[in-house]
Amino acid sequence: DAGITQSPRYKITETGRQVTLMCHQTWSHSYMFWYRQDLGHGLRLIYYSAAADITDKGEVPDGYVVSRSKTENFPLTLESATRSQTSVYFCASRHPFRADSPLHFGNGTRLTVT
Amino acid sequence: TQLLEQSPQFLSIQEGENLTVYCNSSSVFSSLQWYRQEPGEGPVLLVTVVTGGEVKKLKRLTFQFGDARKDSSLHITAAQTGDTGLYLCAGDEDNDMRFGAGTRLTVKP
Repeated sequence: DAGITQSPRYKITETGRQVTLMCHQTWSHSYMFWYRQDLGHGLRLIYYSAAADITDKGEVPDGYVVSRSKTENFPLTLESATRSQTSVYFCASRHPFRADSPLHFGNGTRLTVT
Repeated sequence: TQLLEQSPQFLSIQEGENLTVYCNSSSVFSSLQWYRQEPGEGPVLLVTVVTGGEVKKLKRLTFQFGDARKDSSLHITAAQTGDTGLYLCAGDEDNDMRFGAGTRLTVKP
């Protein structure tokens, strides 16, 4: 089925460890996004990518690294996890050339940093 | 600082009541989208408004985009328990999509 898949669904890690969240989409959308969702803040943009090998910082990029070697994959890496990075992370994709095109979201990864 | 301010943050009403939620910003957007999110899932698009002054209806939901394209409202008529969820607005600035903090709506039977 076409869609956007995030893995893992849940992750518990320790402070200081590196962790990578995976995102895969089957629509061949050129735009992909990573958001984090926290109570009281809504969805905050971490990074986005306009195409393979093109990435840009969003609102809260510090402590995160992204790569986009293939159009369909957009992994997010926390290089040295901190407790403040405990959150629900959502990946999304979008068709770029229509003003009314929606963001298509995955079901999220709930990350807990202990 | 939130680029998009949504109000109220929480809203609890009885089934059958009407309600309006708001999304305000000091920025002008090329388009504005409303999403609904259920627990454990990602947000799902309800509507996109593009033109200043635009009004769109989706069954019992009416969406307005302000003339200056800085604010929007969502009105629900005769709310149902199935309308319960988190309603998010998102402004589009050249594919940099920014979200408000959301309005958490609870509709009680």
